[in-house]
Amino acid sequence: AQSVAQPEDQVNVAEGNPLTVKCTYSVSGNPYLFWYVQYPNRGLQFLLKYITGDNLVKGSYGFEAEFNKSQTSFHLKKPSALVSDSALYFCAVRVGGSQGNLIFGKGTKLSVKP
Amino acid sequence: KAGVTQTPRYLIKTRGQQVTLSCSPISGHRSVSWYQQTPGQGLQFLFEYFSETQRNKGNFPGRFSGRQFSNSRSEMNVSTLELGDSALYLCASSLVRGAAGEETQYFGPGTRLLVL
Repeated sequence: AQSVAQPEDQVNVAEGNPLTVKCTYSVSGNPYLFWYVQYPNRGLQFLLKYITGDNLVKGSYGFEAEFNKSQTSFHLKKPSALVSDSALYFCAVRVGGSQGNLIFGKGTKLSVKP
Repeated sequence: KAGVTQTPRYLIKTRGQQVTLSCSPISGHRSVSWYQQTPGQGLQFLFEYFSETQRNKGNFPGRFSGRQFSNSRSEMNVSTLELGDSALYLCASSLVRGAAGEETQYFGPGTRLLVL
């Protein structure tokens, strides 16, 4: 079965420190991977995606993600965290080809303390 | 360019009633998908419409239905509401370029439905 896992329910980081939010996937064929962020009482905002090409993908708000095929991972990273980065982060994989629906991980709550 | 809009933003219904939610995609986007978000189940795919046709459907009972109009606006309907239908319903639109193209889904703010 195709799935996405976010092993951490919550990640706590001090402002200015690097952050990593983990994601692993299980799909058949080439994965289409996404990261979304959700702020309280808001919809999801697209951060970045991996389709093919460079393993390091750069996205919005200074975020980047590294695709690792051997480890089937797609971790979200940022060199220096901001308090305003505190939110719920979702990893997702598109199944059923390039126009299939998204399967989401359970989400990871990121808390950045000043 | 205006984003995805969803109406209403908040809704309170009682068990047994039915509800219709509306989604207007980004101009030019032809694909609309619906997702249900709950604390227990997380984000789950409901269905996707493209050019007025349902293209994909998630694992939800037949009480959940939808449609898409010629202007790409979409509605979803839930009949005989149950307490467990209380959720945030998110709509996403994407610009479908063709079989070889992958398109990013852009989400609306959601409709929060409370069933009493």
